[in-house]
Amino acid sequence: DAGVIQSPRHEVTEMGQEVTLRCKPISGHDYLFWYRQTMMRGLELLIYFNNNVPIDDSGMPEDRFSAKMPNASFSTLKIQPSEPRDSAVYFCASTWGRGPGSFGPGTRLTVL
Amino acid sequence: SQKIEQNSEALNIQEGKTATLTCNYTNYSPAYLQWYRQDPGRGPVFLLLIRENEKEKRKERLKVTFDTTLKQSLFHITASQPADSATYLCALDNYGQNFVFGPGTRLSVLP
Repeated sequence: DAGVIQSPRHEVTEMGQEVTLRCKPISGHDYLFWYRQTMMRGLELLIYFNNNVPIDDSGMPEDRFSAKMPNASFSTLKIQPSEPRDSAVYFCASTWGRGPGSFGPGTRLTVL
Repeated sequence: SQKIEQNSEALNIQEGKTATLTCNYTNYSPAYLQWYRQDPGRGPVFLLLIRENEKEKRKERLKVTFDTTLKQSLFHITASQPADSATYLCALDNYGQNFVFGPGTRLSVLP
């Protein structure tokens, strides 16, 4: 298995633009997590899905953030409109049950 | 309020010694506690998982203990090597609530 796949790996955009981050979890995993990592706040859970259903989105910072999981092999995290304070590394992770997480390589987002 | 703390932001030790990292939590009742390693520019990599009814887990040079009374987990790396230098994160699975990471400890093993 290729592991968790995220795209793009790097994204540079201007304030106000829409940003879409993509994730392909490991086949057979039933949980998918989106995290954001910054130096100041560490690794924060934004939202997680179980069997494609959002379970807890309490970590989503604002309505500008939205996430979807239309099927078991694909999820998106969208920021619209983006702001400079959204600059961070965004990780997607998947698990089978609530077991060990397999993390993707991350998307480094820079909002100018 | 709920809090996860890891003993120090950075830890330097001499090669060959045992590194001990601490994870303390308050106002959580975790079902599991996990330890991850993160290298610069990469995602965290899972190392060990310990359940609330387990006291100790081992894997090669790694050992994790879990004391639910003290609300603490200790992570040990024996016979440490420079290749063990990385940031180590603990994470709690809070029984259907959420999955929370500590701030991490940056370990440097000096040759």
